Amino acid sequence: AQSVTQLDSQVPVFEEAPVELRCNYSSSVSVYLFWYVQYPNQGLQLLLKYLSGSTLVKGINGFEAEFNKSQTSFHLRKPSVHISDTAEYFCAVMPQNAGGTSYGKLTFGQGTILTVHP
Amino acid sequence: NAGVTQTPKFQVLKTGQSMTLQCAQDMNHEYMSWYRQDPGMGLRLIHYSVGAGITDQGEVPNGYNVSRSTTEDFPLRLLSAAPSQTSVYFCASSDPGNTEAFFGQGTRLTVV
Repeated sequence: AQSVTQLDSQVPVFEEAPVELRCNYSSSVSVYLFWYVQYPNQGLQLLLKYLSGSTLVKGINGFEAEFNKSQTSFHLRKPSVHISDTAEYFCAVMPQNAGGTSYGKLTFGQGTILTVHP
Repeated sequence: NAGVTQTPKFQVLKTGQSMTLQCAQDMNHEYMSWYRQDPGMGLRLIHYSVGAGITDQGEVPNGYNVSRSTTEDFPLRLLSAAPSQTSVYFCASSDPGNTEAFFGQGTRLTVV
C-alpha cells in the first residue's frame, strides 16, 4: 500500500517570492512520483513526474521537483511565483507493476493550496 | 482532440436516487479510473479498470458500481445516493508504458 503526505495544507506567498511545497510518501513497492495542479473549477493537469534517472526533474510553468529516496520525499519548488500560480497542488504516487509499467492507479496527498498575493 | 469527457458537469440528487456518471476517452487507453475529491482529503480511488471487461475496487468502492464493456467508456453508477457521496468525481485514463494519467473536467455531485 502507498500513502502520501503533503505537509502544508495552505501556503501563502507574495508574487516573485520562491516557494516550496513539501511531499513525503511511503510505499512497500517501487513507485513513480507526480505533481498535479488544479486551477479553480478545473480538472488536474500534470506538472512534472519522476520515473527514474536524475533526481531533479523540471516541469511546466517553471516548476521543478527533487526526488530524495532516503527521505522518501518529492518536494516541489519554483524560484519566483506569479499570481497565475494560485491553485491547488497535489503530490501523487503510482505503483510500478512487475513489468515496470503501472495499472494507472494513483494515490494522492491531501493537496496544498498555493495563494500568491500581489 | 477531446481526451477524457465526463458528463454531466453538475448534478443534484435526492437521497436514495440512482444515477450514472459517464466517462469516455478517445485515446484508446487501456487503463481507466474513477476518483472522488473531497476537501482536505485529496483524490481517492473508487474503482479502476485495466481493460474491457476487467474492473477492480479502489480505496473507497462502497456505494458505487462500474463496468467496462468497451475500451472507450467507463461509467460509474450510484445505486442509492447518500449525502456522504456529495463530492467532485474525476475520471482518468492512461496506458501501459505511459505513466501520465489524463483527467476529465469533473462532475460535481450534490446529494440532498
